[in-house]
Amino acid sequence: DTEVTQTPKHLVMGMTNKKSLKCEQHMGHRAMYWYKQKAKKPPELMFVYSYEKLSINESVPSRFSPECPNSSLLNLHLHALQPEDSALYLCASSQDSGLRSPLHFGNGTRLTVT
Amino acid sequence: AQRVTQPEKLLSVFKGAPVELKCNYSYSGSPELFWYVQYSRQRLQLLLRHISRESIKGFTADLNKGETSFHLKKPFAQEEDSAMYYCAPRPYGNKLVFGAGTILRVKS
Repeated sequence: DTEVTQTPKHLVMGMTNKKSLKCEQHMGHRAMYWYKQKAKKPPELMFVYSYEKLSINESVPSRFSPECPNSSLLNLHLHALQPEDSALYLCASSQDSGLRSPLHFGNGTRLTVT
Repeated sequence: AQRVTQPEKLLSVFKGAPVELKCNYSYSGSPELFWYVQYSRQRLQLLLRHISRESIKGFTADLNKGETSFHLKKPFAQEEDSAMYYCAPRPYGNKLVFGAGTILRVKS
């Protein structure tokens, strides 16, 4: 399996809802990432996990809560989101956090906050 | 300020014409450099990386440390090259940043 799989593909949620985005990879990668991509903009880094520990949080609001339960799984828990949080959320993984490890991206979850 | 610049939002060329997508970066140290591509309705994927010095789908990219540039080139564009291209430096281990992107449109 050489893919990063994200579920769900689409998610619509109200501002009072709690939902989670899921990401899975079975390539033995030890670094996993969450990116946010608004329409016609490049992906922006949110969080990085390295060996299941959070290593980068790009000053993301606390209504986004990442979790890495094991080396294959990465979750993003969402609570009390705002309409401006509507975006494509991309998960990625890399072999390790070394400079030369390329990232492999999932297809993303398109989130709409109403 | 540390940043990556792709000056063209859109580059439109005819099939068979040469292509050059520009990328300039300003990061201290020696970042690793990548080009990522996103074809219509497909996931973001790695096109090539500086360390490999390879040619992928006819594309090459030369690192010019003096000019801090990593331009992507192809001598003869094909229609299937139409996509969004992102220059992406990796200034230190965990962090991969993306330029604003250039849409390449190859016309028949």
